[in-house]
Amino acid sequence: QVQLVESGGGLVKPGGSLRLSCAASGFTFSDYYMSWIRQAPGKGLEWVSYISSSGSTIYYADSVKGRFTISRDNAKNSLYLQMNSLRAEDTAVYYCARGSIAAPDPGYWGQGTLVTVSS
Amino acid sequence: SSELTQDPAVSVALGQTVRITCQGDSLRSYYASWYQQKPGQAPVLVIYGKNNRPSGIPDRFSGSSSGNTASLTITGAQAEDEADYYCNSRDSSGNHPVFGGGTKLTVL
Repeated sequence: QVQLVESGGGLVKPGGSLRLSCAASGFTFSDYYMSWIRQAPGKGLEWVSYISSSGSTIYYADSVKGRFTISRDNAKNSLYLQMNSLRAEDTAVYYCARGSIAAPDPGYWGQGTLVTVSS
Repeated sequence: SSELTQDPAVSVALGQTVRITCQGDSLRSYYASWYQQKPGQAPVLVIYGKNNRPSGIPDRFSGSSSGNTASLTITGAQAEDEADYYCNSRDSSGNHPVFGGGTKLTVL
């Protein structure tokens, strides 16, 4: 069965950095779009970034462009999100999600990892 | 504000039928997918494409679309259907994905 396990969340000061990881199993990771989607406390879902199977197509929301970097290691079945220059408004649960072979729209989600940006 | 608009809250009596809608110009060209999220849990896909249910999703969930509006219908709502529901599709450019603001469903 598809499993997505996020790690790397925690408390960080404004301006700081954090790297999220997502370990995938139960499917051929290198075939699928992967995404990061976040949810601020008490708020709705927000697309953060997605990456195609080969890494040739990458999208960032305007709110994180220039600060966050998505990457994947198909040999390690892993997805990453490097987050720099963090702001209080980046505080959220960050979900790793698997799309389809052709599109990023998520069919499976991890349980999420909480990122708190606060001094 | 999102390019996909959902009613913030909807209620339904137990066993009755409820429709949750999602409006946006991109829905004239793209299907919506629908996600159910219960408190403290990750979202779960309930409808994708024209009207497809992933394995394990009860057949009381169905999807439809007309013009600029996509709908999720629950026929015979159960207490366990009480949750937040989000639509997902494309922005007005058609290039990037976007979520609706979400609808909180209360089963009375």
